Amino acid sequence: KQEVTQIPAALSVPEGENLVLNCSFTDSAIYNLQWFRQDPGKGLTSLLLIQSSQREQTSGRLNASLDKSSGRSTLYIAASQPGDSATYLCAVRENTGTASKLTFGTGTRLQVTL
Amino acid sequence: GAGVSQSPRYKVAKRGQDVALRCDPISGHVSLFWYQQALGQGPEFLTYFQNEAQLDKSGLPSDRFFAERPEGSVSTLKIQRTQQEDSAVYLCASGIIAGGDTQYFGPGTRLTVL
Repeated sequence: KQEVTQIPAALSVPEGENLVLNCSFTDSAIYNLQWFRQDPGKGLTSLLLIQSSQREQTSGRLNASLDKSSGRSTLYIAASQPGDSATYLCAVRENTGTASKLTFGTGTRLQVTL
Repeated sequence: GAGVSQSPRYKVAKRGQDVALRCDPISGHVSLFWYQQALGQGPEFLTYFQNEAQLDKSGLPSDRFFAERPEGSVSTLKIQRTQQEDSAVYLCASGIIAGGDTQYFGPGTRLTVL
């Protein structure tokens, strides 16, 4: 059974710092990996999606990397802002059957302070 | 509406009551997913529909949980004889095509069982 782990569970940084969030998964036979943002009381917003054949994806201040063979992904946030405060979730889609169900990690709760 | 909507947003039930949670996916979306998110955890897959067909229900925790999507649009997740361990946020997500990569999440229904 696929297991996804995220470290750290919580992180507090001052505004302007660069930071890295980590995600690891136990079964490397994945179809893709996604990073989501979840704000309190709201649904999930997809930030970046990396296909299994890709090594990284970038969107603005966000960069996500994928090392499928070692079962790891990182989300790099440059020049953090208070508006980045949220919970960040990593999820993998496996290469199984018709369903594209996602297996999520437990998330990293990020607080960016002024 | 532009996004996935869920109702009610909050539900309090006494142990033993039946509840029904509704999901209105984005119009025309083929795929529909239900996830359960316990406090401090990542979402966990419950079930998947492709149009009106329930193709995967492997994540439903017990036979007290039942989901339907009779006309391939609106879906209802029903929980019979609720237990305290059913307390969680129930998230619905829809996707444009079957097995597609992008899932659009609703805000969730927070269920509290007393």
